[in-house]
Amino acid sequence: QKEVEQNSGPLSVPEGAIASLNCTYSDRGSQSFFWYRQYSGKSPELIMSIYSNGDKEDGRFTAQLNKASQYVSLLIRDSQPSDSATYLCAPRNLYSSASKIIFGSGTRLSIRP
Amino acid sequence: NAGVTQTPKFQVLKTGQSMTLQCAQDMNHNSMYWYRQDPGMGLRLIYYSASEGTTDKGEVPNGYNVSRLNKREFSLRLESAAPSQTSVYFCASSEGRDYEQYFGPGTRLTVT
Repeated sequence: QKEVEQNSGPLSVPEGAIASLNCTYSDRGSQSFFWYRQYSGKSPELIMSIYSNGDKEDGRFTAQLNKASQYVSLLIRDSQPSDSATYLCAPRNLYSSASKIIFGSGTRLSIRP
Repeated sequence: NAGVTQTPKFQVLKTGQSMTLQCAQDMNHNSMYWYRQDPGMGLRLIYYSASEGTTDKGEVPNGYNVSRLNKREFSLRLESAAPSQTSVYFCASSEGRDYEQYFGPGTRLTVT
């Protein structure tokens, strides 16, 4: 089992619909969870962070965390063509070794007009 | 604020050549990172520095060395480049390990 699993996609979603991106992780000690967006040829940029079970909303983005199920998701409402990018999931455990500072391989999202 | 800067943006090396990738941040962050990104492999950590004077190996450290010169700068050195080191290299910084990371624009390295 990979330490961080994401469906590689591409996930194709019509403009205006909800895009749902999922991530599972194996390290039960993870305390912080980050979602990064990466446009093709660019560097990753943070879009959401979540630390507690439940939902966290920021504009059109909602992060959902379920530590018992080791699952974190990102919902994008009213999807726009500018949301087309790769989304990387990054759980963090402050007490693990540096070799465990990892990112998921990412889900490629494509918003079709 | 420039954020995280990296030089060079592009580099072509021959097998066996050496080079140093430079990274600097102006956000007064304690932690700095070097990653490589290959198609289909995602971001993989090469080295991590929790603070000035400390470095730790990440997932793929072989063939690389690092120097945390001061709080602002973190360099990555390839002593004898190999074609397997062809990749895009990103430097990042954060306040701490469990804080969000800010990435530089990347260095696209080709080793022939």
